Amino acid sequence: NAGVTQTPKFQVLKTGQSMTLQCAQDMNHNSMYWYRQDPGMGLRLIYYSASEGTTDKGEVPNGYNVSRLNKREFSLRLESAAPSQTSVYFCASSERWDYGYTFGSGTRLTVV
Amino acid sequence: GENVEQHPSTLSVQEGDSAVIKCTYSDSASNYFPWYKQELGKRPQLIIDIRSNVGEKKDQRIAVTLNKTAKHFSLHITETQPEDSAVYFCAASMGSGGSYIPTFGRGTSLIVHP
Repeated sequence: NAGVTQTPKFQVLKTGQSMTLQCAQDMNHNSMYWYRQDPGMGLRLIYYSASEGTTDKGEVPNGYNVSRLNKREFSLRLESAAPSQTSVYFCASSERWDYGYTFGSGTRLTVV
Repeated sequence: GENVEQHPSTLSVQEGDSAVIKCTYSDSASNYFPWYKQELGKRPQLIIDIRSNVGEKKDQRIAVTLNKTAKHFSLHITETQPEDSAVYFCAASMGSGGSYIPTFGRGTSLIVHP
């Protein structure tokens, strides 16, 4: 049982480049989320998808876009990467609002 | 919106001691409170959670208590071991039409010295 799978695990981008972070879950969860984690800042929500076909902004959405491709997959796109987007990105999913998250293993992104 | 304060930011204990991490929340409508453990370089993992209709929940050496009146909840770890060393995050959330956003605390770095 894979749980939540994120790719890639590591990425280095130059300023202005674009990329897509992929996330897939095999637990039939309705809700999926993208967080970024920076030292001392905890987990900050970028975007979320409460159910297939819906997406909403979180706390820090600027510079990002998302696509809920189907129930399993939720991707995060950086259109023009900036050094401020250097971070560790986590995808997560949950069955419903009062169940905990299952997190992916994370993507460590460096923008130079 | 909800605001979650977590204290302390760092906690250092000797092996065998107890550790307590406290979170306070602002929105009295919050009714689900999970705790996550994140080891260095790893993903956060759910270790215990509590719902607002329960005051305390235990799982072996870990317990969580909830005081709805005071709007705070705490994680208690007894007989700490070096493998308990990690960053612990609390969160608070409320159900709203099936769509909710949990608010996380900023984390507590627990160091257990052998």
